[in-house]
Amino acid sequence: EVQLVESGGGLVHPGGSLRLSCAASGFTFSRYNMNWVRQAPGKGLEWVSYISSSSSTKYYADTVKGRFTIARDNAKNSLYLQMNSLRDEDTAVYYCARVGYGGNWFDPWGQGTLVTVSS
Amino acid sequence: SYVLTQPPSVSVAPGQTARITCGENNIGSKSVHWYQQKPGQAPVLVVYNDSDRPSGIPERFSGSNSGNTATLTISRVEAGDEADYYCQVWDTTGDHPRVFGTGTKVTVL
Repeated sequence: EVQLVESGGGLVHPGGSLRLSCAASGFTFSRYNMNWVRQAPGKGLEWVSYISSSSSTKYYADTVKGRFTIARDNAKNSLYLQMNSLRDEDTAVYYCARVGYGGNWFDPWGQGTLVTVSS
Repeated sequence: SYVLTQPPSVSVAPGQTARITCGENNIGSKSVHWYQQKPGQAPVLVVYNDSDRPSGIPERFSGSNSGNTATLTISRVEAGDEADYYCQVWDTTGDHPRVFGTGTKVTVL
């Protein structure tokens, strides 16, 4: 069964840092591009970042550029999101999502991990 | 980031047809994907590449894309279809990636 499991969320003060992880199983992780997507409470989906299968290409939303860093470890079947200089508006559920092979849809998604930025 | 424009809400009676639009200049030249999200759950892909359905998604879900509008159609709507629906493209040209639509809440009356 294809599965993505996020971890690392929690409560952090503004200006703080947090590292999210996404553990992949049930497929050949190294062959797939991956994304992070977030959803603030009561709001819509916001794409955050993309990384290609070999880590050669990375994209970031303007709202997180310069503060967040996406990375992956294909040997460990894991995706990461290093979040620095966190702001109140970064409060959201963060999902990792696999990119469809040969396409650009997101499937499947993990269950999400909640990040709360508050003093 | 720019967003794709969707109506905030659509209401439909059981057994009727719901149509959810996703607007963007020349969206017909891009591949559009659709997701269903129920409260407290992660999004689920229901249509990809404009009109293809993943395995396990009922035939009641269909999609089309032409000109400036993509459409997700839910036929013979059921109570279990009540959810938020999002369209998605993958467009990283320019400085502002366009990915998700604004979302549509489908209410089954």
